[in-house]
Amino acid sequence: EDQVTQSPEALRLQEGESSSLNCSYTVSGLRGLFWYRQDPGKGPEFLFTLYSAGEEKEKERLKATLTKKESFLHITAPKPEDSATYLCAALVNTGFQKLVFGTGTRLLVSP
Amino acid sequence: NAGVTQTPKFQVLKTGQSMTLQCAQDMNHNSMYWYRQDPGMGLRLIYYSASEGTTDKGEVPNGYNVSRLNKREFSLRLESAAPSQTSVYFCASSGLEPEAFFGQGTRLTVV
Repeated sequence: EDQVTQSPEALRLQEGESSSLNCSYTVSGLRGLFWYRQDPGKGPEFLFTLYSAGEEKEKERLKATLTKKESFLHITAPKPEDSATYLCAALVNTGFQKLVFGTGTRLLVSP
Repeated sequence: NAGVTQTPKFQVLKTGQSMTLQCAQDMNHNSMYWYRQDPGMGLRLIYYSASEGTTDKGEVPNGYNVSRLNKREFSLRLESAAPSQTSVYFCASSGLEPEAFFGQGTRLTVV
């Protein structure tokens, strides 16, 4: 069974305190690994797609990396506005390409 | 530049009532999806439509029906609502690139 696990469930950081979120996956045939940001009461907002081990993508204070078993979302010098839930999803092909989501990491950045 | 629009944003139903959730996208995407999001369970695929005129079941289709009305619109119908269908429902769409773009969600409570 395809499975995506995110850790930690929740993370509290001080402004400027860098950290990483983990996304491990066990899927049959990974076609891509996606990261989304979700604010309370909103829909997920697309951040990155990674397609192969060793690939990295960056956007402002966020950098996503991918290995054969997991992905990391590194947050450098976070600001309070980075507070959100971060979701990762594995794109798998089961006759049709579908996204398998993890349950997310709730990030709170305090000033 | 609306993206994916869902209506309504909030709904309270009594057990046994029916309703239709509406979704429209203006990005000329071929594929559309309905997900539900429950605490601790992540986003789960209910139904999807790979292209206009086709629909298929996802992970949790029981109790739901869908209609792909045209390329823009994809509706989700609950024929006889149950408390277990209390959830936040998201519509999403994707085009040539696999990343899905989400609507703002419909928060449904069944009492």
